Amino acid sequence: DQQVKQNSPSLSVQEGRISILNCDYTNSMFDYFLWYKKYPAEGPTFLISISSIKDKNEDGRFTVFLNKSAKHLSLHIVPSQPGDSAVYFCAASEVTGNEKLTFGTGTRLTIIP
Amino acid sequence: GAVVSQHPSWVICKSGTSVKIECRSLDFQATTMFWYRQFPKQSLMLMATSNEGSKATYEQGVEKDKFLINHASLTLSTLTVTSAHPEDSSFYICSAGGGAWNQPQHFGDGTRLSIL
Repeated sequence: DQQVKQNSPSLSVQEGRISILNCDYTNSMFDYFLWYKKYPAEGPTFLISISSIKDKNEDGRFTVFLNKSAKHLSLHIVPSQPGDSAVYFCAASEVTGNEKLTFGTGTRLTIIP
Repeated sequence: GAVVSQHPSWVICKSGTSVKIECRSLDFQATTMFWYRQFPKQSLMLMATSNEGSKATYEQGVEKDKFLINHASLTLSTLTVTSAHPEDSSFYICSAGGGAWNQPQHFGDGTRLSIL
């Protein structure tokens, strides 16, 4: 049972344009959401997070939007740069105190120069 | 920022060998660390939660006697794959908890394990 889903396995975006990565979840107990970036043969790197009390969080070129009623979050990267090419995972945790993360299936983002 | 170091980065060994992977939090203390496994082109699957000074908590379907976890200090957790077989070949990644459910985990660079 995949509780966190990223329906687009891949996405190609022109350099300088906006990249939008989407994530859907089914577990209503999830209360904290994160985006990680991953290169092959490396561990994930934390990008940005959002808690359920917010609907938007910004950090430089990265903005995460959360629609709790739709159980949907998205990551916007603007402007997209070649170094953004990687696999992006969304992840979620419950407010149960055990810090366990459930990861999505990942989206491979390719920025075209 | 928080740094997690994982060693070794790549291991190739014969079937039947036991392999130990170390995960260290370099600039902070971590009472909780996590071990994940990733198959090619798939998501990260949580294997177990490593708790300092107590037994690890394993996810359903993960053999605790196959994957031994020790978290003897606040900066070091180890995963030992015992009597490894080719089906254990995978990418293993550790993370250190942010200290609360609403703090990000920080990941090591992973260990590529290849069993011949």
